[in-house]
Amino acid sequence: GAVVSQHPSRVICKSGTSVKIECRSLDFQATTMFWYRQFPKQSLMLMATSNEGSKATYEQGVEKDKFLINHASLTLSTLTVTSAHPEDSSFYICSARDPLGVLNYGYTFGSGTRLTVV
Amino acid sequence: GNSVTQMEGPVTLSEEAFLTINCTYTATGYPSLFWYVQYPGEGLQLLLKATKADDKGSNKGFEATYRKETTSFHLEKGSVQVSDSAVYFCALSARTDSWGKLQFGAGTQVVVTP
Repeated sequence: GAVVSQHPSRVICKSGTSVKIECRSLDFQATTMFWYRQFPKQSLMLMATSNEGSKATYEQGVEKDKFLINHASLTLSTLTVTSAHPEDSSFYICSARDPLGVLNYGYTFGSGTRLTVV
Repeated sequence: GNSVTQMEGPVTLSEEAFLTINCTYTATGYPSLFWYVQYPGEGLQLLLKATKADDKGSNKGFEATYRKETTSFHLEKGSVQVSDSAVYFCALSARTDSWGKLQFGAGTQVVVTP
């Protein structure tokens, strides 16, 4: 089945620095990827939709200048948290739409990145 | 807009007990419905899905039936194991979003004790 690799799994950074999270589709081409954020004991909230070769579409309330998304190739999307602050500490998860369509396998998720800003 | 409502947790069960997690949805048209499971410290894994009314999704002993008349997609398992301890998310994907966004419920934590 479709596999999505997300890296790093955990990262601790100092306040004010930037952190890049990578999401790769390993055995398929993902023209569309999604970035979610999950606070402790809460559900996943869609942050943005990443489209290969074009600008990402951000959900209402998500600062696009703070959460930079780049989808430069068909297998890689990156999320950069710029000037991170403690309130950005969260679990970030990416997903890609299955190449055979959502009716077949839905969406494949990465294993997530636990970001802690100190 | 589209939304998913699922029962609050945590749900604590003994091993071999019967599990039900209620999920209802609001959507225009005919969405696809999913159950995802998240084990501690991990990402989400697709557990099962149903793409049209009366479809039954099943996997690893879990089942859920797409009930259009009650707009529900309740998750059931007849005999849970300790390894089923996880957070379960009900979700939908609507045609109106061009099969883009997944709308998640709040998640239900299940704790199975020996």
